[in-house]
Amino acid sequence: KAGVTQTPRYLIKTRGQQVTLSCSPISGHRSVSWYQQTPGQGLQFLFEYFSETQRNKGNFPGRFSGRQFSNSRSEMNVSTLELGDSALYLCASSLEPGAGNTIYFGEGSWLTVV
Amino acid sequence: DAKTTQPTSMDCAEGRAANLPCNHSTISGNEYVYWYRQIHSQGPQYIIHGLKNNETNEMASLIITEDRKSSTLILPHATLRDTAVYYCIVRDFWASYDKVIFGPGTSLSVIP
Repeated sequence: KAGVTQTPRYLIKTRGQQVTLSCSPISGHRSVSWYQQTPGQGLQFLFEYFSETQRNKGNFPGRFSGRQFSNSRSEMNVSTLELGDSALYLCASSLEPGAGNTIYFGEGSWLTVV
Repeated sequence: DAKTTQPTSMDCAEGRAANLPCNHSTISGNEYVYWYRQIHSQGPQYIIHGLKNNETNEMASLIITEDRKSSTLILPHATLRDTAVYYCIVRDFWASYDKVIFGPGTSLSVIP
């Protein structure tokens, strides 16, 4: 069974550009969440989606946005990139929301902003 | 903020059992204990979880104290590939949202 797949794995962008990251959850999983991980801040929650609806959003500026499609795939977008956006962006999926459902993480997308 | 505390780092000899403790003294009856690990540059890997009872799977065992205020993750025969940062987290069954909050974790070094 394939795990959570994230694309691209590595990318370099210039300040001011925008980026779109893609996530394919484990087959059958309908809940998708996104996290940003940096050495200084650790793992920080970005957003959570279930059945194409954003259920919760972390404390990030409006430049960070996301969506979920009817097939449960998800994308996140960061506009007007800043140097501080350089991070590992992780997507995670579970069957449904709730602590009884295990959350599985993808390998992440490494974003470098120069 | 993370609701768990873990040692910053631990060493373990290859082939020996690695016992990683976690304190979650404010855990409520609705909260599960989950363990993940993260090898450098990779996404966190799920290891095991439990609510009240001890659990075992092909990767590890989870021992939860009777009062549920602490737990121990046991890797029975540590190998060099088990060198990673281990995170212990709690997740509320009744939370209206679903997110994980990782603390700093325990950096486990398996020594040859």
